[in-house]
Amino acid sequence: EVQMVESGGGLVQPGRSLRLSCIVSGFTFGDYAMSWVRQAPGKGLEWVTSIRSNSYGGTTEYAASVKGRFTISRDDFKSIAFLQMNSLKSEDTGVYFCVRGSGTYRYWGQGTLVTVSS
Amino acid sequence: DIQMTQSPSSLSASVGDRVTITCQASQDISKSLNWYQQRPGKAPKILIHDASNLETGVPSRFSGSGSGTHFTFTIDSLQPEDFATYYCQHYDNFPRTFGQGTNLEIK
Repeated sequence: EVQMVESGGGLVQPGRSLRLSCIVSGFTFGDYAMSWVRQAPGKGLEWVTSIRSNSYGGTTEYAASVKGRFTISRDDFKSIAFLQMNSLKSEDTGVYFCVRGSGTYRYWGQGTLVTVSS
Repeated sequence: DIQMTQSPSSLSASVGDRVTITCQASQDISKSLNWYQQRPGKAPKILIHDASNLETGVPSRFSGSGSGTHFTFTIDSLQPEDFATYYCQHYDNFPRTFGQGTNLEIK
């Protein structure tokens, strides 16, 4: 059974940093791209970033709204995906979902809430 | 960036009804389109991939069609558990983008 569990969310002041983790089980983590999708309170879904598998160079893609502030990474030995979020803004508030894949998202975590507020 | 225009934004219907949601891409995306269902407080669930392919385990009352820039998503004979929010999403290139969502409510 595929399981994806995010952690690391919480309340943080504007300008500060936060690192999210997504621990995965039930599939060969290193074979898949991983992505983060977020949802602001009461709003729709927004793709944030993706990282390809190391077989495809482990390269990354970012939404313009987070480029230069967020960094996605992966640890294939521990089956964990990370999202390092720096210089956080109020508009980064929302639930962050870890998802498997870079284009078609069949497996999702339960999400972790990030609240950016002073 | 490719914009996905989804309509309607909300829809009221009754159990047993047939409903259709449309999604318009701002440029040709071939069949690189998925449809998701999201219930309140839950993660989205993929229903349709590649515009018209039903995901394993998804009831056959759900269907999708289209290619290029115009796509439709249909639910035949609505069931009580179908009242949720639905999103289209393209994966033709980066950035991936979602439609604004359609909130399907009980009439």
